[in-house]
Amino acid sequence: GESVGLHLPTLSVQEGDNSIINCAYSNSASDYFIWYKQESGKGPQFIIDIRSNMDKRQGQRVTVLLNKTVKHLSLQIAATQPGDSAVYFCAETSRDNYGQNFVFGPGTRLSVLP
Amino acid sequence: NAGVTQTPKFQVLKTGQSMTLQCAQDMNHEYMSWYRQDPGMGLRLIHYSVGAGITDQGEVPNGYNVSRSTTEDFPLRLLSAAPSQTSVYFCASSQDRISLFFGSGTQLSVL
Repeated sequence: GESVGLHLPTLSVQEGDNSIINCAYSNSASDYFIWYKQESGKGPQFIIDIRSNMDKRQGQRVTVLLNKTVKHLSLQIAATQPGDSAVYFCAETSRDNYGQNFVFGPGTRLSVLP
Repeated sequence: NAGVTQTPKFQVLKTGQSMTLQCAQDMNHEYMSWYRQDPGMGLRLIHYSVGAGITDQGEVPNGYNVSRSTTEDFPLRLLSAAPSQTSVYFCASSQDRISLFFGSGTQLSVL
């Protein structure tokens, strides 16, 4: 069946270091892959997405990499800051199933150490 | 511009009680949805709507009803609350059906 999962449930990084959060997916028909950030007591917040026809996309301090060969997605955060502490979710979806098949992973908790 | 507003933030129910979780968005998004979030299981889709007057079931619709009489509002009704419905509920809206805008959530406990 379809699944989106994460290799590491928790990740601790030193402030100023780069963070890499990984995600595996199984549905090769997915068109979009999305990363969300969820801070304590808040709803998930959209960070960045990448289409299946791309390998890399950059945003402000974040880069998402997509490796379709091994069905792997990663989120890289440069110069990690205390405000980056949160749970990060990857999700996949397809335009062929509008609204019906957002599949979320269980999340990775990122802790930034001072 | 408030985004997606959910009420209440917290609710405690007894088994068998009914209630409605409110969700409103002011971004004129056609797409709205309800998710529940349980520890270790990520977000699971309950119901969604692609426009006023149109609703459809998601992954876990049993025990929940929705309606979409306006573009702005998408209430979620629990018909007869059960302990298995203890969860955090999120409403989300989207214009492109790719990037979701989430509300701040409703934490529901069913005793």
